[in-house]
Amino acid sequence: GAGVSQSPSNKVTEKGKDVELRCDPISGHTALYWYRQSLGQGLEFLIYFQGNSAPDKSGLPSDRFSAERTGGSVSTLTIQRTQQEDSAVYLCASSLGMGGSYNEQFFGPGTRLTVL
Amino acid sequence: AQSVSQHNHHVILSEAASLELGCNYSYGGTVNLFWYVQYPGQHLQLLLKYFSGDPLVKGIKGFEAEFIKSKFSFNLRKPSVQWSDTAEYFCAVNLLSGGYNKLIFGAGTRLAVHP
Repeated sequence: GAGVSQSPSNKVTEKGKDVELRCDPISGHTALYWYRQSLGQGLEFLIYFQGNSAPDKSGLPSDRFSAERTGGSVSTLTIQRTQQEDSAVYLCASSLGMGGSYNEQFFGPGTRLTVL
Repeated sequence: AQSVSQHNHHVILSEAASLELGCNYSYGGTVNLFWYVQYPGQHLQLLLKYFSGDPLVKGIKGFEAEFIKSKFSFNLRKPSVQWSDTAEYFCAVNLLSGGYNKLIFGAGTRLAVHP
């Protein structure tokens, strides 16, 4: 596709359940990022992938959060035992790589997660 | 810790007024700088970016920003706003050392333009 796509667009879940959020980056983009946008915290970095490896996981808020990327393309963000404070819009972005204009990040539409 | 400050959280203007949104960052090394815009119900879109060279950068829709390294600032300007500029604006910094490759965002500025 032409842009970054994310699915589902909306997810409502009950507290304690696990959820998986999917991101399809722009074709050819080697770098992929997850961010979270919430009312109280603004836009926060979660994790960054270069290829299939994640050199920076510093933004993951707890060990309930994990992410993987396979084939240098699709990424899945998993939240286990969801809590109400996990409610937010989860944004995925991708870039060509690192360095100069390769750093420009293109954002997807996000997944709005609501934990009841 | 590195941070980005946007001084105005809410701005209300009439059409044709001039706009300046402040952005300051705290990081002494090399940075890339960005302004993103989020229109109501839409996803983040890039307005403009600074990587190197001319510190005055032009973006889409008549926006421009000036990088002043000595002030750690990257303020966004538009000479004459339109109703369609109503949106939330985010300043972001990409740190370029220590293996970092992530955007640090400001808290955002909500702009409302009245006709």
